[in-house]
Amino acid sequence: EAGVTQFPSHSVIEKGQTVTLRCDPISGHDNLYWYRRVMGKEIKFLLHFVKESKQDESGMPNNRFLAERTGGTYSTLKVQPAELEDSGVYFCASSQEEGRVLHFGNGTRLTVT
Amino acid sequence: GDSVTQMEGPVTLSEEAFLTINCTYTATGYPSLFWYVQYPGEGLQLLLKATKADDKGSNKGFEATYRKETTSFHLEKGSVQVSDSAVYFCALSNAGGTSYGKLTFGQGTILTVHP
Repeated sequence: EAGVTQFPSHSVIEKGQTVTLRCDPISGHDNLYWYRRVMGKEIKFLLHFVKESKQDESGMPNNRFLAERTGGTYSTLKVQPAELEDSGVYFCASSQEEGRVLHFGNGTRLTVT
Repeated sequence: GDSVTQMEGPVTLSEEAFLTINCTYTATGYPSLFWYVQYPGEGLQLLLKATKADDKGSNKGFEATYRKETTSFHLEKGSVQVSDSAVYFCALSNAGGTSYGKLTFGQGTILTVHP
């Protein structure tokens, strides 16, 4: 079974530009989560999809962040415009209801200069 | 709100040494507790978990016991190997229903094991 896949693995952009991160969850996983680790601090929850619906987006830092999950399959996280403090590693995870284990991707390292 | 505090690293040990990584938490109710591990170049993997007080989670020689009286979930291993070198994250989930995946993480502890 393929794992959770994230694209790109690294992204370097300038302040004010737009970046879109993509996550392909494990096939059949209805639950998809986005997390972020900034500056070596703790990993923080951003939001949770159940299929194509946002179940909880309480962790989204501000309206420069937009997450979508078209058709309940892959998800994108867009940052527009990017700021310096957005630099960090963005993790995606997916799970099935049964077992309730989160499977994480390798993350996307975003650097805003 | 909920929070998790881990001992600060980095931790450097020799092979076959005993490992303890401390983790304490603050949460209302009865959270589930987890240890995740991130090996170099990989994503986070669930190492072990415990869902109620006095439960012991174990995997790959690692153990942690859910201590409600001390609000702790310390990670231990009797004899570490070089391959255990990784970043270890303590986490809790205090959300019920379908929100079990909303985790609160500690800051992570880097472990390096030398031959």
